[in-house]
Amino acid sequence: AQSVSQHNHHVILSEAASLELGCNYSYGGTVNLFWYVQYPGQHLQLLLKYFSGDPLVKGIKGFEAEFIKSKFSFNLRKPSVQWSDTAEYFCAVNARGGADGLTFGKGTHLIIQP
Amino acid sequence: GAGVSQSPSNKVTEKGKDVELRCDPISGHTALYWYRQSLGQGLEFLIYFQGNSAPDKSGLPSDRFSAERTGGSVSTLTIQRTQQEDSAVYLCASSLVGKETEAFFGQGTRLTVV
Repeated sequence: AQSVSQHNHHVILSEAASLELGCNYSYGGTVNLFWYVQYPGQHLQLLLKYFSGDPLVKGIKGFEAEFIKSKFSFNLRKPSVQWSDTAEYFCAVNARGGADGLTFGKGTHLIIQP
Repeated sequence: GAGVSQSPSNKVTEKGKDVELRCDPISGHTALYWYRQSLGQGLEFLIYFQGNSAPDKSGLPSDRFSAERTGGSVSTLTIQRTQQEDSAVYLCASSLVGKETEAFFGQGTRLTVV
């Protein structure tokens, strides 16, 4: 079975600070990896995804994530956050080619102070 | 439709009543997921439908919860004899099935049991 662990449940940063949100997964096979974001009052939307190829993937709004296979990690980064990045961030995984659905982490609530 | 549609957007019900939540996935998406989002609990997987295969019901929290997907399209999540702990946002998502697919989420149904 798959599992996803997000280490930080609440993060508070000032504008222009750098961001890194941790995500580790547990699964023995090949996986697809995702970060979803939920802005206040809005639905979940995809931030970025990794299927294969270059382990450093870039998403919307200046976010990026790096897949490190040896560490089973897919950490989300942004060099300089903005107040509008305040949101809930979810890491998710599913098995490539498998019949399993997405497994999500518990989420990280990010607050950016102006 | 253009996106995943869920109805109603809000539902207030009395404890002990049954409720039905509806999800209309993106046309052509054969995979459909139901999740529950409770405050501080992240995203909890409930059930997963893929095409004509038997659904993965492993996430349903009790036998009061059931879901159907008729004709491979619209899905209904039913909660019988609702309890206050059932109060949450119920999210539906759909996706294509394959090696490299992403899920698209609806706006959710906020259920309040009073």
